[in-house]
Amino acid sequence: DTAVSQTPKYLVTQMGNDKSIKCEQNLGHDTMYWYKQDSKKFLKIMFSYNNKELIINETVPNRFSPKSPDKAHLNLHINSLELGDSAVYFCASSQGVEQYFGPGTRLTVT
Amino acid sequence: AQSVAQPEDQVKVAEGNPLTVKCTYSVSGNPYLFWYVQYPNRGLQFLLKYITGDNLVKGSYGFEAEFNKSQTSFHLKKPSALVSDSALYFCAYNFNKFYFGSGTKLNVKP
Repeated sequence: DTAVSQTPKYLVTQMGNDKSIKCEQNLGHDTMYWYKQDSKKFLKIMFSYNNKELIINETVPNRFSPKSPDKAHLNLHINSLELGDSAVYFCASSQGVEQYFGPGTRLTVT
Repeated sequence: AQSVAQPEDQVKVAEGNPLTVKCTYSVSGNPYLFWYVQYPNRGLQFLLKYITGDNLVKGSYGFEAEFNKSQTSFHLKKPSALVSDSALYFCAYNFNKFYFGSGTKLNVKP
């Protein structure tokens, strides 16, 4: 059973489009996260939700809007995609001090 | 500023030799420290953590790390490297949120 899953795995789209990435965890964790990994493999947190409530919102453009319909899901919607949004986006969840990561979504904006 | 640093972008070792991947931290208080591994096109996998207690922490796949308070280090080690250990390794700490190091690429040659 996959603990943290993301869809899609790959996403290729054009500048200006709007796209969503979905994340689900079946671990029963209360907290979920979105991370962005750039081309140099640098990993940075974007958002964190605890029990459907936003608790961390880093300096991310407001074109990025997370939504948590329930504590097992945290989706990421991106409006007006730009070339610089190309990266791998990781979802993660935690119920304590360690985090469990999804397989990642590679977003390519052309 | 609180941070973790991985001074080496890449580490190369021969299979069967011991390996060390370095991490130093600059964190006030008692840090929660972690090592994660990322295989190509995969998400991050938890290797081990230090919360409190014994300074030598054993983790997955034969890896271990030593918490050294005086040197503010948390180096990852393995007595005998395998080619399959080749991957990207991240040191991280948890202080309300996760902060990741820049990553070290480990290359184990046959």
